[in-house]
Amino acid sequence: GDSVTQMEGPVTLSEEAFLTINCTYTATGYPSLFWYVQYPGEGLQLLLKATKADDKGSNKGFEATYRKETTSFHLEKGSVQVSDSAVYFCALSAASGGSYIPTFGRGTSLIVHP
Amino acid sequence: GAGVSQSPSNKVTEKGKDVELRCDPISGHTALYWYRQSLGQGLEFLIYFQGNSAPDKSGLPSDRFSAERTGGSVSTLTIQRTQQEDSAVYLCASSRGGIETQYFGPGTRLLVL
Repeated sequence: GDSVTQMEGPVTLSEEAFLTINCTYTATGYPSLFWYVQYPGEGLQLLLKATKADDKGSNKGFEATYRKETTSFHLEKGSVQVSDSAVYFCALSAASGGSYIPTFGRGTSLIVHP
Repeated sequence: GAGVSQSPSNKVTEKGKDVELRCDPISGHTALYWYRQSLGQGLEFLIYFQGNSAPDKSGLPSDRFSAERTGGSVSTLTIQRTQQEDSAVYLCASSRGGIETQYFGPGTRLLVL
């Protein structure tokens, strides 16, 4: 079945540092790829997405490129802020027997210190 | 319009009691999902509704768990004879279907004593 693997956290950075959170996937179809973010005490919300190979999703300074050759969708940000502290989930969605059940990674906690 | 709402936001119950959790999806969204998020864990898929099709129940952990969606809108997740291991945050999400973006509710935090 489909799967998503994310780097384990927590990732601890100082403000203005460069961020990379690795995400790789396995899928039998042609998935769309997502990053969701969960801020403390809140529900998940979409951060960015990409629907086909070589697409780049971007939002709030975060970027991720759909790399089919390496089956990866790494999340990057050039300069993190304290307000970026949250849990980040990589996910994929593809059709499977007529059903669209997304597969989520286990989440990576990011802690940004001032 | 309004986002996905869930109620109650918190629920404390005694072991062995039944609980009902409610989800109001975004109007017009045909797909609705239930997930469970345990402390420090990722999202565990429970059940998926798409339009008028039979729900995909492949993620339900036991026959104590059931869900229904009335009129293609509101959904209720029922846990019978709750156990302490059922303690978790239960998340609901809705979408336009297919591979479209999911919109999550704030969750119901369930504690079984």
